Amino acid sequence: GAVVSQHPSRVICKSGTSVKIECRSLDFQATTMFWYRQFPKKSLMLMATSNEGSKATYEQGVEKDKFLINHASLTLSTLTVTSAHPEDSSFYICSAREPRTRSGYTFGSGTRLTVV
Amino acid sequence: TQLLEQSPQFLSIQEGENLTVYCNSSSVFSSLQWYRQEPGEGPVLLVTVVTGGEVKKLKRLTFQFGDARKDSSLHITAAQPGDTGLYLCAGPPGYNFNKFYFGSGTKLNVKP
Repeated sequence: GAVVSQHPSRVICKSGTSVKIECRSLDFQATTMFWYRQFPKKSLMLMATSNEGSKATYEQGVEKDKFLINHASLTLSTLTVTSAHPEDSSFYICSAREPRTRSGYTFGSGTRLTVV
Repeated sequence: TQLLEQSPQFLSIQEGENLTVYCNSSSVFSSLQWYRQEPGEGPVLLVTVVTGGEVKKLKRLTFQFGDARKDSSLHITAAQPGDTGLYLCAGPPGYNFNKFYFGSGTKLNVKP
């Protein structure tokens, strides 16, 4: 089945630094990937849709310059949290659209970001 | 505002009880999916409903898609502690597969 690998699973960074999260489709090509943010005990909030070879489409209220998304290949999308602040601490999850799977969408296992 | 609203937000019941979780929207969805998520992990797909009025059963779980494809429900019969988790409905609005939104979530706790 379709597998999405998300890395790292946990990261701690200092305020003001940037951190990159990778999302890879391991056995399929993903022209569309999604990035979500999840606060404790809350649902997943769509941040942006990442399309290979084009600019990401951000949801209303999501800062494009704060959350840089790059989808340079059909198997890799990255989310870079720039100039991180403690309020950026959260659980980030990526997903890739794969119409041939039962669900049509495959999720990474998430990245726990803590900014200190 | 959330495109998909779930109710209740929290549910704490005793083992053996039945429960229903609702997922409502003012928008039409080409399909809706239900997921269960454990803390610190990605969501796990339970079911996909596609046709208005469709009913799907997965052991003790029954899923229904509204006739107008704007709502869905999840019914659990004889809940067990292993059913504890965060239940999420999700789907692409209309036929826009470049969007995939999650509902507001229902946190279920089944006490032994």
